[in-house]
Amino acid sequence: AQSVTQLGSHVSVSEGALVLLRCNYSSSVPPYLFWYVQYPNQGLQLLLKYTSAATLVKGINGFEAEFKKSETSFHLTKPSAHMSDAAEYFCAVSGKAGTALIFGKGTTLSVSS
Amino acid sequence: NAGVTQTPKFRVLKTGQSMTLLCAQDMNHEYMYWYRQDPGMGLRLIHYSVGEGTTAKGEVPDGYNVSRLKKQNFLLGLESAAPSQTSVYFCASRAGQGNAYEQYFGPGTRLTVT
Repeated sequence: AQSVTQLGSHVSVSEGALVLLRCNYSSSVPPYLFWYVQYPNQGLQLLLKYTSAATLVKGINGFEAEFKKSETSFHLTKPSAHMSDAAEYFCAVSGKAGTALIFGKGTTLSVSS
Repeated sequence: NAGVTQTPKFRVLKTGQSMTLLCAQDMNHEYMYWYRQDPGMGLRLIHYSVGEGTTAKGEVPDGYNVSRLKKQNFLLGLESAAPSQTSVYFCASRAGQGNAYEQYFGPGTRLTVT
């Protein structure tokens, strides 16, 4: 069965600091992995996805994530945080063929000036 | 191109009342999903559909029913609302059969059951 664990329900950084949001997955088949962002009172927006083409995936707004099979991880990073990055971030793994994504519980990112 | 839209945006129900949430997508997607989002729980799948006229249960289907009479619409029904169904409901759609396709989400419906 597929599952996702996001380490840290809340991460706080200063503006300009490195952002690191952690995601570990479990999958019985080669996984497809996704990071979504949710701004307050909005729906989820895709940041990036891993579909086995390249292990380092670049997304929107300067975010990137690296797929590490040996560590079963797909951590999200951004070199320099901006105030507008404050949001909730969800990691997700594909479920059984044709079914829905399996989401982690989310990590809230706070950015202080 | 509106993407995925949801109606209504907000609703307050009393225990025992019924209602239907409407999801519409204009991207000709085959797959559609209903999730609920609760604090600290992430998103949990309620029901989903892999095509017009088909539906299937997800992780938390009890107390909900769905219908997909038209490809572009996916309805979520609550026959007798309970306070435990207070949540934010998201609809999503996806193109294609492969799991590499991302899901597109609607803006959500915030439901309160008193």
